[in-house]
Amino acid sequence: DQQVKQNSPSLSVQEGRISILNCDYTNSMFDYFLWYKKYPAEGPTFLISISSIKDKNEDGRFTVFLNKSAKHLSLHIVPSQPGDSAVYFCAGYTGGFKTIFGAGTRLFVKA
Amino acid sequence: NAGVTQTPKFRVLKTGQSMTLLCAQDMNHEYMYWYRQDPGMGLRLIHYSVGEGTTAKGEVPDGYNVSRLKKQNFLLGLESAAPSQTSVYFCASSSGGGTEAFFGQGTRLTVV
Repeated sequence: DQQVKQNSPSLSVQEGRISILNCDYTNSMFDYFLWYKKYPAEGPTFLISISSIKDKNEDGRFTVFLNKSAKHLSLHIVPSQPGDSAVYFCAGYTGGFKTIFGAGTRLFVKA
Repeated sequence: NAGVTQTPKFRVLKTGQSMTLLCAQDMNHEYMYWYRQDPGMGLRLIHYSVGEGTTAKGEVPDGYNVSRLKKQNFLLGLESAAPSQTSVYFCASSSGGGTEAFFGQGTRLTVV
């Protein structure tokens, strides 16, 4: 039972354009959603989060949108840079100290 | 700034052998976690701890044991390794349950 789904294993984008990474979830009890970024041979690093009571959160080039009725969130990166090439994990937190991660989407930003 | 440090980074075990993975954090975080990452599966929680002396099961705890004798350390043990435990293991810590977690660099474990 995958509570957090990232249906696109990979995404390729031209430098300077917008990258949109999508995430769907099934658990209505998630309180927060978080995005992590992971480079090869490194651990994931936190990127941005959003509370379930909000529909948008922005931090520099990164914006996360939450559509609760559709149980869908997306991460927008504008403009995309080659250094953004990494695996991006979407995660939902329900309380009880459990964070559920999606399978990840590998982003390639072409120079 | 060490953050979260995992030891070792790589290990090859034979089926049936035991080993302990060590995680140390210097951020005075109460919460610590062990995850495994497998292709196409994302990160799955094995065990976690909400403070010194406490541990709890996560999503995939079978075959693993943990201990948190000191606040800064969280140990993951495999008593009898199986090929199904071949994975990349990540330790993480956080100041709260839903707050950002800080991850170690990972331990790549192969069980043959």
